[in-house]
Amino acid sequence: TQLLEQSPQFLSIQEGENLTVYCNSSSVFSSLQWYRQEPGEGPVLLVTVVTGGEVKKLKRLTFQFGDARKDSSLHITAAQPGDTGLYLCAGDRGSGTYKYIFGTGTRLKVLA
Amino acid sequence: DARVTQTPRHKVTEMGQEVTMRCQPILGHNTVFWYRQTMMQGLELLAYFRNRAPLDDSGMPKDRFSAEMPDATLATLKIQPSEPRDSAVYFCASRGGSNEQFFGPGTRLTVL
Repeated sequence: TQLLEQSPQFLSIQEGENLTVYCNSSSVFSSLQWYRQEPGEGPVLLVTVVTGGEVKKLKRLTFQFGDARKDSSLHITAAQPGDTGLYLCAGDRGSGTYKYIFGTGTRLKVLA
Repeated sequence: DARVTQTPRHKVTEMGQEVTMRCQPILGHNTVFWYRQTMMQGLELLAYFRNRAPLDDSGMPKDRFSAEMPDATLATLKIQPSEPRDSAVYFCASRGGSNEQFFGPGTRLTVL
């Protein structure tokens, strides 16, 4: 059973378009992270959100943690080819160990 | 700059052979994670250590997998005997005082 479901699984868009990726669960998380992974490399942390309703921005990326801390979204404005990659959300159930469970992933391709 | 290193980067072996993967965490990081990534299952946590002591290896098949930290600069993951279903990319990650994990580049394992 996958605790964190991401949608869509795959997304192919043109440069300049906007997109939103969703990360959903029936479980509550004390914090949630978003990573981007490029081919042949390990995931790289983009952001950590810890408060229900929290919104964080990283240039053209906007991250939101759901009020109930069960879901999150990542919105990209004016996507660029450099945004291409696998986006992973990861949640911490709050055991104090900061052991994160990773989502199913969204594979994004931005065409020039 | 400080990075997690993993060796080998690629490994092709035959079923039944022993496989050893090595990881050098970032100097000063006291928590080390081992993950496995496949298309079907995504990124799964196999085991993790804090201050070289194993804290959780519940994600690891105990009969054939073993993970150790002989010293603070080396973590190993062994599979004996290996099976085709073990084919995956294995990532090591380390963490220091924050909740940010730094991933290595991974070892791509193919078991024939």
